[in-house]
Amino acid sequence: SYVLTQPPSVSVAPGKTARITCGGNNIGSKSVHWYQQKPGQAPVLVVYDDSDRPSGIPERFSGSNSGNTATLTISRVEAGDEADYYCQVWDSSSDLNWVFGGGTKLTVL
Amino acid sequence: EVQLVESGGGLVKPGGSLRLSCAASGFTFSSYSMNWVRQAPGKGLEWVSSISSSSSYIYYADSVKGRFTISRDNAKNSLYLQMNSLRAEDTAVYYCASFHDILTGFDYWGQGTLVTVSS
Repeated sequence: SYVLTQPPSVSVAPGKTARITCGGNNIGSKSVHWYQQKPGQAPVLVVYDDSDRPSGIPERFSGSNSGNTATLTISRVEAGDEADYYCQVWDSSSDLNWVFGGGTKLTVL
Repeated sequence: EVQLVESGGGLVKPGGSLRLSCAASGFTFSSYSMNWVRQAPGKGLEWVSSISSSSSYIYYADSVKGRFTISRDNAKNSLYLQMNSLRAEDTAVYYCASFHDILTGFDYWGQGTLVTVSS
């Protein structure tokens, strides 16, 4: 089965740039989606299809995907960005299923 | 306004059954594929099952295959998850979520319903 690997935690100072990676075998050939989840809340889609943003998501959120790594980049980080972030892909290589990464806790220092 | 509202969660004994529902409003439910995603306490997201807009395609995670059944009623704008042979490891918040295709991600989510499997 397909595995997505995320760092458990990332820390960043306010106003700086946070980068959260999502590793997977040839992930660059897949469409990657990113979700933000704050404590006690449902996940929210922040980036879809590698780099597109749903309406209402600030331009500070961007994504890229190449080779074996996809990256969610959050520019000018704010305290309100502190949350868990999950990457996701559709895996059609073996079983047909959705796969989530293990999640990354973003801490704003 | 798009709304997805889950219901049916609760406490159930190991080996028992539970049926979750998800009521949709504010969008054309019959045009969207739907999913169940769960999150065990303190853990990450785990995809459980997907169903296409017309119920033609249904997929399950290996962890629930043979025990859970997803279904939908487009006339009632509702999604269901029948959960049988429940185990302690099925304890989680269960979310329903919509998606249009594999390029768009899960765009709308409900607030979740808690299922606790314990004796």
